Amino acid sequence: GQQLNQSPQSMFIQEGEDVSMNCTSSSIFNTWLWYKQDPGEGPVLLIALYKAGELTSNGRLTAQFGITRKDSFLNISASIPSDVGIYFCAAPFGGTYKYIFGTGTRLKVLA
Amino acid sequence: EPEVTQTPSHQVTQMGQEVILRCVPISNHLYFYWYRQILGQKVEFLVSFYNNEISEKSEIFDDQFSVERPDGSNFTLKIRSTKLEDSAMYFCASSRDRGNEQFFGPGTRLTVL
Repeated sequence: GQQLNQSPQSMFIQEGEDVSMNCTSSSIFNTWLWYKQDPGEGPVLLIALYKAGELTSNGRLTAQFGITRKDSFLNISASIPSDVGIYFCAAPFGGTYKYIFGTGTRLKVLA
Repeated sequence: EPEVTQTPSHQVTQMGQEVILRCVPISNHLYFYWYRQILGQKVEFLVSFYNNEISEKSEIFDDQFSVERPDGSNFTLKIRSTKLEDSAMYFCASSRDRGNEQFFGPGTRLTVL
């Protein structure tokens, strides 16, 4: 079935470093959403992308909607300890209300 | 800032019992969703709801599950005859438009014994 694959699965980085992660699929999407989930809590929306090639920032976070519409990227600049968590991409199938979530990237920041 | 709320935060039930999970979506949102997340796994879509009817459902959302908007503010997920494998976090979400940003509630942790 359709799925969103995220890479890397997990990463350890030093505080202050920049982080890059991506989300890929074999299907085309019209919307990409990026969420962060802390343990025991619900996903929190970080960035929404609606147009191929779109680059959108939210503070230290920048996300891009891939030109092929089959992928998206999230970058975090100058990471801080509170960036720890799991980052999920999500997308609705075109023409449906069904959203699928990616496999997640677990980020751990070493102070 | 408006937010999605869910009750209870934790529900413990015996296998075979029925549970109702409750959600209050953001007030001007028109699309409502339920998701499930088994511990350590990804978030899985269950169902979407618009205009008082189900818009889309996943293969997980079988006859054991039902959703309802009993009044103008609540959105509920009923699980009949719970099974051990129903133990998970259940998240409610809402969005203003289809394909728009979804905002999630804090979740209900369901434990089936």
